[in-house]
Amino acid sequence: GESVGLHLPTLSVQEGDNSIINCAYSNSASDYFIWYKQESGKGPQFIIDIRSNMDKRQGQRVTVLLNKTVKHLSLQIAATQPGDSAVYFCAENWYSGGGADGLTFGKGTHLIIQP
Amino acid sequence: GAVVSQHPSRVICKSGTSVKIECRSLDFQATTMFWYRQFPKQSLMLMATSNEGSKATYEQGVEKDKFLINHASLTLSTLTVTSAHPEDSSFYICSARTGDFSEAFFGQGTRLTVV
Repeated sequence: GESVGLHLPTLSVQEGDNSIINCAYSNSASDYFIWYKQESGKGPQFIIDIRSNMDKRQGQRVTVLLNKTVKHLSLQIAATQPGDSAVYFCAENWYSGGGADGLTFGKGTHLIIQP
Repeated sequence: GAVVSQHPSRVICKSGTSVKIECRSLDFQATTMFWYRQFPKQSLMLMATSNEGSKATYEQGVEKDKFLINHASLTLSTLTVTSAHPEDSSFYICSARTGDFSEAFFGQGTRLTVV
């Protein structure tokens, strides 16, 4: 896999390799984070989430890491497949106490899987 | 996961006319829905929070008289773009959450083109 610096819009990896997508979030009070995948012309699709009381969470082929000290979130995708090609967004949320809240989205990273 | 349906998926309208976009939660009740706008190659930006039975809450810079939101039932929210102009052309996406610390489910999005 290739570690991507913050704010890079595109990440290209070979099929089968691991990929790491990074995100810097803005609000130190954020307590819930979600990674979304968006394919062209479609709405975001949930991948994995993590609460602020955790620093790591694993799903199927995906792992999310949270570093609250530096307000950094990463998404690791193992053994990438062509279907993983998409734009990936991190989203943050802080609990306002008034019910469900809207999400604040990061800039997004376009992941391209090379055959 | 829960399903949010958005209609229409694409709409072309003439400048000065109004367009209504519907967002439905198909298998759950959503007291709160959210409307986002996404310009090409950019992230999602929260426009407003739609509350069932009460007025919507708009984000700073979003004109409430231009983007009319109605949340008439627990499963339906509508966004009406009034007196549309070419600069309103964008991808509009709705979402709904089942509660705090829960993932947001997104509609398929509506591509609005104002000519």
